[in-house]
Amino acid sequence: NAGVTQTPKFQVLKTGQSMTLQCAQDMNHEYMSWYRQDPGMGLRLIHYSVGAGITDQGEVPNGYNVSRSTTEDFPLRLLSAAPSQTSVYFCASSVPGTELYTFGSGTRLTVV
Amino acid sequence: AQKITQTQPGMFVQEKEAVTLDCTYDTSDPSYGLFWYKQPSSGEMIFLIYQGSYDQQNATEGRYSLNFQKARKSANLVISASQLGDSAMYFCAMREGRSNDYKLSFGAGTTVTVRA
Repeated sequence: NAGVTQTPKFQVLKTGQSMTLQCAQDMNHEYMSWYRQDPGMGLRLIHYSVGAGITDQGEVPNGYNVSRSTTEDFPLRLLSAAPSQTSVYFCASSVPGTELYTFGSGTRLTVV
Repeated sequence: AQKITQTQPGMFVQEKEAVTLDCTYDTSDPSYGLFWYKQPSSGEMIFLIYQGSYDQQNATEGRYSLNFQKARKSANLVISASQLGDSAMYFCAMREGRSNDYKLSFGAGTTVTVRA
């Protein structure tokens, strides 16, 4: 009963580097999404997916790419890291129209 | 415009007392859901309670209850009999209608500190 698993938990990148944040869920949820949390703010939506092969942009998509080749996995790619992308990143999976909206434990990313 | 407003940046409460966290929301969609999450210092987002817009009764989950006042567009969280482990950041969030069912809009959060 793992729920939503995010890796890594912590990461330090240099400006300009690229990396992929991994997210996997084992609950067969249709919807998956990525959020970022900055100090003093609530979570903001980066990208989301309503099913395998379907992705779309949220509020703050610039500098990030996603793909959804399977129901279980929804990786987030940082193309060229910038200090403004220093944040805590949360992946979530959900079932539409219900209270089932489950978050991973988060990835704390620092870009220097 | 802010969809979710939490006006209390921080609150102190004495152990064993009740505390109410305010949340107001803004939507024109008749179908929506309201969530409360707890974020302890370890950082994970823990689901506490959910209220659907068509639910007739206020939601309750153990020591958590949601005071849902639809006409006033408020969804306050009440934590009864506070414990030291309740010290955390609390977020109110909303999901609007079917077209935005993938997304939660969050408030800025309220930090609760429980004193012994």
